[in-house]
Amino acid sequence: GENVEQHPSTLSVQEGDSAVIKCTYSDSASNYFPWYKQELGKGPQLIIDIRSNVGEKKDQRIAVTLNKTAKHFSLHITETQPEDSAVYFCAASESGGGADGLTFGKGTHLIIQP
Amino acid sequence: GAVVSQHPSRVICKSGTSVKIECRSLDFQATTMFWYRQFPKQSLMLMATSNEGSKATYEQGVEKDKFLINHASLTLSTLTVTSAHPEDSSFYICSASSGFYQPQHFGDGTRLSIL
Repeated sequence: GENVEQHPSTLSVQEGDSAVIKCTYSDSASNYFPWYKQELGKGPQLIIDIRSNVGEKKDQRIAVTLNKTAKHFSLHITETQPEDSAVYFCAASESGGGADGLTFGKGTHLIIQP
Repeated sequence: GAVVSQHPSRVICKSGTSVKIECRSLDFQATTMFWYRQFPKQSLMLMATSNEGSKATYEQGVEKDKFLINHASLTLSTLTVTSAHPEDSSFYICSASSGFYQPQHFGDGTRLSIL
């Protein structure tokens, strides 16, 4: 089955700086890679996703890059703000996202220092 | 758009009780719903996948007689934890998707505490 590794487990950055979280996956058949933000006591919220036919996707301050050859993908957050503090999860799926369950990484606790 | 509502948000009950958790897609039809379990400060682990009108598919190691899943309509799935014990205490989260190439949207979870 799929295995997703996520690093780092904790990331502390100064407000205004950029944050990068990296994930690797094992199953070359995976073709859908979402990123979720989870705040304390809440469910995960989808913030951006990318499919295997695209190398990069951007949405305002958030971007995701995908390297299929190396089987890794990364989340980039620029101009970080205090409200970006949360736990971020990467995930992978080989079915397009909506038909089978997601395999999640272990999460990154992002702390934005004022 | 894409709102998923989960109820109740928190349950505290005695050992041996059965607990039902509801997951509703409020503004879209969910062809597939998923149930995950999350232990404190850990990742989400898939428990089962359910399609409307079909039996749920359970992940290896998840007891189907313990965790009963019903997906009776395109907007509602329920998870019943039967004869719950303290080791069943966890954060249960559902997600829903409107199609094969559509993302999963998550509810806010149910914190289950068995005394």
